[in-house]
Amino acid sequence: NAGVTQTPKFQVLKTGQSMTLQCAQDMNHEYMSWYRQDPGMGLRLIHYSVGAGITDQGEVPNGYNVSRSTTEDFPLRLLSAAPSQTSVYFCASRATSRGTYNEQFFGPGTRLTVL
Amino acid sequence: QKEVEQDPGPLSVPEGAIVSLNCTYSNSAFQYFMWYRQYSRKGPELLMYTYSSGNKEDGRFTAQVDKSSKYISLFIRDSQPSDSATYLCAMGAQGAQKLVFGQGTRLTINP
Repeated sequence: NAGVTQTPKFQVLKTGQSMTLQCAQDMNHEYMSWYRQDPGMGLRLIHYSVGAGITDQGEVPNGYNVSRSTTEDFPLRLLSAAPSQTSVYFCASRATSRGTYNEQFFGPGTRLTVL
Repeated sequence: QKEVEQDPGPLSVPEGAIVSLNCTYSNSAFQYFMWYRQYSRKGPELLMYTYSSGNKEDGRFTAQVDKSSKYISLFIRDSQPSDSATYLCAMGAQGAQKLVFGQGTRLTINP
């Protein structure tokens, strides 16, 4: 299994440009999520999905869109990039079971710089 | 006030020392408590997982949860340079899908 994969690993954008960060998992996990990690802020949840066709907002959703058309893929779209979106982005997935939390697996991250 | 507070450090200790990492939280609904380890330029990996109160030991690592004080700890015994990483606590509530993470503590073990 490849686990959780993310592309690209690095990206530089200009203010106002749009792009899509790709995330895929091959573990048949229902739950997938996107986080951003900034110095001193820890991991902040952007959007999450509990299954194909179902998405919801996390703590910091503004400026980002997501969709979940398949179990495997969960892309994150930046509509109009701003310097405040310079960050490291992590995608994560886990199986869902009633009454417990299963291990959450993280991808290697995408380092995004917005100029 | 953040739901989960964690001292970001950085924390630097000599090899062989006992390390104590801590988080406090405000949401009494949290019942699932995790510690993730994140090496530089990598994604976080699950290190320890505890349900409700009590202790859990795995080799040199011990996780403690004190729900009455809303306080969790991770102890590392006989610390090694390979333990140098950022450690993040994470918590979840029964029936909730989202995990809430602390800010992460950056730890360096000096040979």
